[in-house]
Amino acid sequence: QVQLVESRGGVVQPGGSLGLSCAASGFSFNSYAMHWVRQAPDKGLEWVAVLSYDGGHKYYAESVKGRFTISRDNSKNTLFLQMNSLRAEDTAVYYCARVPNQGIVTSPPTTWGRGTLVTVSS
Amino acid sequence: QTVVTQEPSFSVSPGGTVTLTCGLSSGSVSTSNNPSWYQQAPGQTPRTLIYNTNTRSSGVPDRFSGFILGNKAALTITGAQADDESDYHCVLYVGGGIWVFGGGTKLTVL
Repeated sequence: QVQLVESRGGVVQPGGSLGLSCAASGFSFNSYAMHWVRQAPDKGLEWVAVLSYDGGHKYYAESVKGRFTISRDNSKNTLFLQMNSLRAEDTAVYYCARVPNQGIVTSPPTTWGRGTLVTVSS
Repeated sequence: QTVVTQEPSFSVSPGGTVTLTCGLSSGSVSTSNNPSWYQQAPGQTPRTLIYNTNTRSSGVPDRFSGFILGNKAALTITGAQADDESDYHCVLYVGGGIWVFGGGTKLTVL
């Protein structure tokens, strides 16, 4: 079955960096666009970024543009999110999510990982 | 900056019907926005209910339906059950590769 498993998050100081990964299995990873979505404590969902199936097209929320980088390694069935210049407001559970039906970046997130908590605090 | 609007809270009686909406701060929602809906119980991962306006995700009962209602996307739940009590989130594609979530609706069944 389809599985998405995010790497362990952690505690990072403001201004620091952290990289997340998402290991995919149970489907043809190289045929699907992938999203990152986050949720701050007791807040709603916030879309972070999306990456096309081949890594050629990537888009970001304004709140993370220039600080976060989404990428993928299709040979390892893995999605990444590199987060730099972290701020307290980046504290959230980060989910990776797949689009449906071998869709593209204009397809929504539909299959979700369980999420990983990133805390930005001194 | 595009803002996606949802009712902050809603209540429905057991067995009743409720319609939640998802709008844009400027403009109308259409099928081109690929509206999608998610249910999230406290402490749980989001569960996809509806995507691309009206496609029900695998395993989702037909009590849940999505459609365009006037200038908004809508999610109707019929025959509300106690375990429908959750947060409901919508997301819209606003162009240029960008997606925006609404603030979520807290649904109470009582």
